[in-house]
Amino acid sequence: QSVLTQPPSASGTPGQRVTISCSGSSSNIGSNTVNWYQQLPGTAPKLLIYSNNQRPSGVPDRFSGSKSGTSASLAISGLQSEDEADYYCAAWDDSLNGHWVFGGGTKLTVL
Amino acid sequence: QVQLVQSGAEVKKPGASVKVSCKASGYTFTSYGISWVRQAPGQGLEWMGWISAYNGNTNYAQKLQGRVTMTTDTSTSTAYMELRSLRSDDTAVYYCARASSFSPGGSGFDYWGQGTLVTVSS
Repeated sequence: QSVLTQPPSASGTPGQRVTISCSGSSSNIGSNTVNWYQQLPGTAPKLLIYSNNQRPSGVPDRFSGSKSGTSASLAISGLQSEDEADYYCAAWDDSLNGHWVFGGGTKLTVL
Repeated sequence: QVQLVQSGAEVKKPGASVKVSCKASGYTFTSYGISWVRQAPGQGLEWMGWISAYNGNTNYAQKLQGRVTMTTDTSTSTAYMELRSLRSDDTAVYYCARASSFSPGGSGFDYWGQGTLVTVSS
């Protein structure tokens, strides 16, 4: 059972906009920033969004992040076949001497 | 370019120990930290802990306290993660990732190693 809650799956057709939600609590998302990772099949995760809504260099602006209260979301616009991957949210949790917590992951399928 | 290159796959028996290495290049090693994250087969990501390459400070996940040790060798820009008293549920891909140097929290893990599969089986 993951500390952050994500839907297990999401889907969309090419060109569509999809969003993935991530729900936490006051000790993690409510008091710290959220990062998003993309994991293509058989590869290491890649940082997609940091500090709630910042994109690292090289990440297309089709990817955007937002946060409100104890929830966050990742939006992907102009969906492409290469976006088919697992997506994870993560946040620092202030409990138990502090630790990183992840969502369970959302498998995005491009139909 | 920044690279984190990990050691190869390991097969261990229950009760044994494993030590995974992560050699960094393309940046000043002591300006960052290293976090270790593992992923059991078909499962999500689990943070194991963090070490500062600047001063050696560590922060371990509570569930692994007493079984895990993270170290660095600044002369070779290499980080190590040792996990002891291995159990079958430690079977996972273990990743190192570049993190903040000054605290285990921060803006996320911007570069990742390729992963090391550790299989625990009798």
